[in-house]
Amino acid sequence: AQSVAQPEDQVNVAEGNPLTVKCTYSVSGNPYLFWYVQYPNRGLQFLLKYITGDNLVKGSYGFEAEFNKSQTSFHLKKPSALVSDSALYFCAVKGQGMRFGAGTRLTVKP
Amino acid sequence: DTGVSQDPRHKITKRGQNVTFRCDPISEHNRLYWYRQTLGQGPEFLTYFQNEAQLEKSRLLSDRFSAERPKGSFSTLEIQRTEQGDSAMYLCASSLASGQGNYGYTFGSGTRLTVV
Repeated sequence: AQSVAQPEDQVNVAEGNPLTVKCTYSVSGNPYLFWYVQYPNRGLQFLLKYITGDNLVKGSYGFEAEFNKSQTSFHLKKPSALVSDSALYFCAVKGQGMRFGAGTRLTVKP
Repeated sequence: DTGVSQDPRHKITKRGQNVTFRCDPISEHNRLYWYRQTLGQGPEFLTYFQNEAQLEKSRLLSDRFSAERPKGSFSTLEIQRTEQGDSAMYLCASSLASGQGNYGYTFGSGTRLTVV
């Protein structure tokens, strides 16, 4: 079965510093991996996806993610965090229906 | 058509009552998904449709839950005899089928159900 894991419930960074939100995956076959962001009382918003091709995927709002097959990881990154990036981030893998991780709450402090 | 619409945004109901939620997907999307999300957790897959056919149902979807998409456009999710444990945010999403090249989902803002 397809699944993802997010090992950190919470990530805190200072504004302007780089951020990383971790995700590992377990799939049979080629993984289709996604990152979504959720702001309070809102639905999930698509950030980026890895289907095939370059291991570094660029997405919305300056985010990027690195696909690492040997480590079965798909970590979300941003070179310089903004306070407005504070939200709940979900990694997901596509099966018949998209399966989500438990989420990581990112807090960016001024 | 600017996105996925869900109605109502909020629903408070007494335990034992039936509730029905509606989802209007992006018109050209042939797949429609229902998820449930509780506080601090990721969305849990409930069921999905391709056009009007319900192709997969999660084991989370008890007999009290039923979903329909009668004309392959909007969908309804009904919960009968609601229980306090049903309190959650119910999210709908739509997408094109995988073979059509767009693998991402577009989510609605959700319906928050509170069972008292």
